[in-house]
Amino acid sequence: GAVVSQHPSWVICKSGTSVKIECRSLDFQATTMFWYRQFPKQSLMLMATSNEGSKATYEQGVEKDKFLINHASLTLSTLTVTSAHPEDSSFYICSARDWRPGGGNQPQHFGDGTRLSIL
Amino acid sequence: KNQVEQSPQSLIILEGKNCTLQCNYTVSPFSNLRWYKQDTGRGPVSLTIMTFSENTKSNGRYTATLDADTKQSSLHITASQLSDSASYICVVLYGNNRLAFGKGNQVVVIP
Repeated sequence: GAVVSQHPSWVICKSGTSVKIECRSLDFQATTMFWYRQFPKQSLMLMATSNEGSKATYEQGVEKDKFLINHASLTLSTLTVTSAHPEDSSFYICSARDWRPGGGNQPQHFGDGTRLSIL
Repeated sequence: KNQVEQSPQSLIILEGKNCTLQCNYTVSPFSNLRWYKQDTGRGPVSLTIMTFSENTKSNGRYTATLDADTKQSSLHITASQLSDSASYICVVLYGNNRLAFGKGNQVVVIP
């Protein structure tokens, strides 16, 4: 079945550091990937939609200069948290939709998330 | 008010027992409703997906129901196992491929 791989799974770093998170679709091509943020006991909150070969679409209130998204190929999207601060600490999850035949109602496939802790 | 409301927020059940989780939504136009299982520190994994015309769908010990008229869904877990301990998230696809997420039902199965 469709698999989405996310790396790294856990990052601990100092305030001011920039952190890059990778999201890969392993056995299907994804022209669109999605980046979510999840706080404890809360819903997943869509941050941005990553479009292959074009600019990402950010949700209202999400700083595009803070969260840089690059979707350079049909199987890879990256999220870079620039100059991270403690308030950026959260669980970041990516997802992709498998548009192969049989789709339409295909669920989004989620990565296993990246836990980001900024000290 | 959240567009997808789940209840109960959390529950503890004995291993082997059944439980039912509820999901009410307000978003429209409706496309489909999915239930995901999210283990602690992991990404959500799809359990079931139902369209407007489907009333029930099963995946092993998980059975989901949907009443699109009342905008309600439930997820029934039969003969719970310790590995069922997780957060169960109700997600509705609506409008122009928009997703609305519930906060999840936190289930803890104890021996």
